[in-house]
Amino acid sequence: EPEVTQTPSHQVTQMGQEVILRCVPISNHLYFYWYRQILGQKVEFLVSFYNNEISEKSEIFDDQFSVERPDGSNFTLKIRSTKLEDSAMYFCASSEGEPIRNTIYFGEGSWLTVV
Amino acid sequence: AQTVTQSQPEMSVQEAETVTLSCTYDTSESDYYLFWYKQPPSRQMILVIRQEAYKQQNATENRFSVNFQKAAKSFSLKISDSQLGDAAMYFCAYGADSNYQLIWGAGTKLIIKP
Repeated sequence: EPEVTQTPSHQVTQMGQEVILRCVPISNHLYFYWYRQILGQKVEFLVSFYNNEISEKSEIFDDQFSVERPDGSNFTLKIRSTKLEDSAMYFCASSEGEPIRNTIYFGEGSWLTVV
Repeated sequence: AQTVTQSQPEMSVQEAETVTLSCTYDTSESDYYLFWYKQPPSRQMILVIRQEAYKQQNATENRFSVNFQKAAKSFSLKISDSQLGDAAMYFCAYGADSNYQLIWGAGTKLIIKP
C-alpha cells in the first residue's frame, strides 16, 4: 500500500539552527500538509499546500516556517531559526483530492529535538 | 471555534472484549466529517474510520464502529473483539468541508490486557 514517507525520523539540533524536514507524499496525491504534535499536547495543523502554493496556514506557521515542493516527489518543511518550543513530532500528510472529503494519509513523523 | 474533546486519557480492556472510546466536538458548521485515527508505537497515524455528518447511518469497518449522535455532537468509537494489535493512541478528529485542516482531540491511550 502506498505510504507517506518522512526523513529524518529523529533530528537533534541546536537552538538557532535551520532544519529541513523532508517528506515524500503518495505519488498521485495533489494536496500536502504539515502537522505537529508537541509532547503531551494535541496535534496541530501547520499548513496545507496545493498547486505549488500555500492554500491554508495556521497562526503557528509564522515567518520562520516555509514549505517547498522542490521537485515532483518531495515536500519539505523548513524551520529557519529553531527555538526550544519547536521541539515536537512533525507529521507530513497528503490527500488525493480536496480535504476533508478525501482521506488524509499521514507519515510516521519526524521527531525534532531542539537543545 | 471548533473543538474536539476526548475525556478519557487512558482506557484498558481485556483481550476479546469490547471497548468504547468517547469523543465530543463543537461546531457551528453543517457540513463536516469526523475521524478516528490510530497511532501505534510505530508512530504513524492510521485512519480507522470516518463519518460524514450528513449520513445518519453509523460507519462500520470490520470490528470498528461508531456511534454518531449529531444533535449531541458525540462521536464514540466501539472496538469489538479487542486484539493485542489494537493497543495504541486513538485520536478523534474533526474537519469542516469548508477548510483544509483537521482539528484533533488529545487522544486516548488504549491498553489491551492479554
